[in-house]
Amino acid sequence: DAGVIQSPRHEVTEMGQEVTLRCKPISGHNSLFWYRQTMMRGLELLIYFNNNVPIDDSGMPEDRFSAKMPNASFSTLKIQPSEPRDSAVYFCASSIYNEQFFGPGTRLTVL
Amino acid sequence: TQLLEQSPQFLSIQEGENLTVYCNSSSVFSSLQWYRQEPGEGPVLLVTVVTGGEVKKLKRLTFQFGDARKDSSLHITAAQPGDTGLYLCAGAEATDSWGKLQFGAGTQVVVTP
Repeated sequence: DAGVIQSPRHEVTEMGQEVTLRCKPISGHNSLFWYRQTMMRGLELLIYFNNNVPIDDSGMPEDRFSAKMPNASFSTLKIQPSEPRDSAVYFCASSIYNEQFFGPGTRLTVL
Repeated sequence: TQLLEQSPQFLSIQEGENLTVYCNSSSVFSSLQWYRQEPGEGPVLLVTVVTGGEVKKLKRLTFQFGDARKDSSLHITAAQPGDTGLYLCAGAEATDSWGKLQFGAGTQVVVTP
């Protein structure tokens, strides 16, 4: 099993640009989670899906953030427009039952 | 405010010493998990505890779930440099059926040779 796959691993962009982060969950897992991790705030849950349906997006910081899961094997997190305070490591995790398996993360730097 | 409080926030010890990390909450969890995260990587699941009072051992790591299912501890015996990492506890609330976890802020453990 390849595990959770995220791309890109690193992204450097300028303020105002659109950023799209991608995630391929583990096959057979029915829940998918997007997290953001910073030194100051730790690991924060942004949004999660169950069977491709968004369940709770209350952690999404602003309308600039959006997430989609068009099918069971793919999800995106988009930031438009990006701001320097969005700089963080973004993780995708998939789960079955209550055990979550994390991807390697995308380190986003917004200049 | 963190639903799960971890202590200490940082722990630096010498190789061969023992250490204990704590995870406390006022909420009851249906299960609790411990993860270890190394720099540049995502958290990796170490163990899941489900039953109040449960003790699980993973080589030199011992995990305990409190009787009331509100707290947990992780004990490492004879720590090695490879145990260095950020240890995160995460709880699944009994009222949640979607697999959502509440994460603690983590304990950074550094084991020096």
